[in-house]
Amino acid sequence: NAGVTQTPKFQVLKTGQSMTLQCAQDMNHNSMYWYRQDPGMGLRLIYYSASEGTTDKGEVPNGYNVSRLNKREFSLRLESAAPSQTSVYFCASSEAPSGRATEQYFGPGTRLTVT
Amino acid sequence: AQSVTQPDIHITVSEGASLELRCNYSYGATPYLFWYVQSPGQGLQLLLKYFSGDTLVQGIKGFEAEFKRSQSSFNLRKPSVHWSDAAEYFCAVGARRNSGKLIFGQGTTLQVKP
Repeated sequence: NAGVTQTPKFQVLKTGQSMTLQCAQDMNHNSMYWYRQDPGMGLRLIYYSASEGTTDKGEVPNGYNVSRLNKREFSLRLESAAPSQTSVYFCASSEAPSGRATEQYFGPGTRLTVT
Repeated sequence: AQSVTQPDIHITVSEGASLELRCNYSYGATPYLFWYVQSPGQGLQLLLKYFSGDTLVQGIKGFEAEFKRSQSSFNLRKPSVHWSDAAEYFCAVGARRNSGKLIFGQGTTLQVKP
């Protein structure tokens, strides 16, 4: 039981390059989330997927796209990376029955640097 | 709209001393409340949660938190801090029907002096 896994762990991109961050969970959770963490700003929600087949914008969606590939997997894509997207990215999942808040389980994070 | 405030950005305590980290939330109905800990370079780990019932909740690693509706607070406490408790702590609030989303505070960094 691996919980939430993320790949890659580290990535350096040049401005304008694209990449996809992968996330998978093996807890059969309904909901999945992508956050970014910047110093002094806590965690900010980028996109979320309340259930398989649905995705919605969070607090800071600009410059990102997501795909909920199946119940297990939720990917985050940067189409044209910008230095402002330098951050640590966390994927999380939760059971969230009927949309009720339950504990979220986090992956180990991806440290992304855009030069 | 929900919001969470952690008034202390950085706290330093001596090993063996007691600890209290403050968390205030804004939410119209009964909130679902969480405390997470993040060690350097790691993801977030759940310490404890409050959904309903007893307002004093126990968590892992000897932590506890008390929900005080009148003060809109959910402060985290530990009677005796260990050096390994040095980390960043996040308070979060969720709602009954909001796609499971949580709103996180900005975090409090705990430093432990030997």
